[in-house]
Amino acid sequence: AQTVTQSQPEMSVQEAETVTLSCTYDTSESDYYLFWYKQPPSRQMILVIRQEAYKQQNATENRFSVNFQKAAKSFSLKISDSQLGDAAMYFCAYRSLLQGAQKLVFGQGTRLTINP
Amino acid sequence: NAGVMQNPRHLVRRRGQEARLRCSPMKGHSHVYWYRQLPEEGLKFMVYLQKENIIDESGMPKERFSAEFPKEGPSILRIQQVVRGDSAAYFCASSPGSSYGYTFGSGTRLTVV
Repeated sequence: AQTVTQSQPEMSVQEAETVTLSCTYDTSESDYYLFWYKQPPSRQMILVIRQEAYKQQNATENRFSVNFQKAAKSFSLKISDSQLGDAAMYFCAYRSLLQGAQKLVFGQGTRLTINP
Repeated sequence: NAGVMQNPRHLVRRRGQEARLRCSPMKGHSHVYWYRQLPEEGLKFMVYLQKENIIDESGMPKERFSAEFPKEGPSILRIQQVVRGDSAAYFCASSPGSSYGYTFGSGTRLTVV
């Protein structure tokens, strides 16, 4: 079974600075999807960014980018120019491509605090 | 498009009562997923349904929990004889098919007293 590990329970960063959140995963599959979700205090799960494992190019969405290292099974999230609204829990997630196995497997989460 | 609608947003039940959580997927979405989030933890998969079919229930507790997604109406997650350990946030997500895009609802926070 796949597992996802986020080794940083909490992180903090100064506003306008850059922060990187770590995520590692374990799988025997060669093709899959990886995601970062943001969960603010409102509890809503918001998709931040996604990466297809077959793509070598790292995904980027505005201030959010990933460093996808397939061989190392690492998928870190970099947030540039941090803003107060970025404060939230961040969850890394894995999704298989196998038919009928579309469930998301989540890490334990990292609580990100933005210091003004 | 109203998004994935879950209700109620908060639900309080006494031990032994039944809890019914509802999820209306986005328009055009025929795949529904239920997840549970315990305090300070990530979401854990419970069940994956398509219209009138359970596709994967590998995350569902063997007893007291059931889910359905009828041809008409919302998906229902039903918890019978609730216990304190059932207190959690329950999230529903939907997708139009086996594409990788899910949309999550805002969750139902169940408190068992």
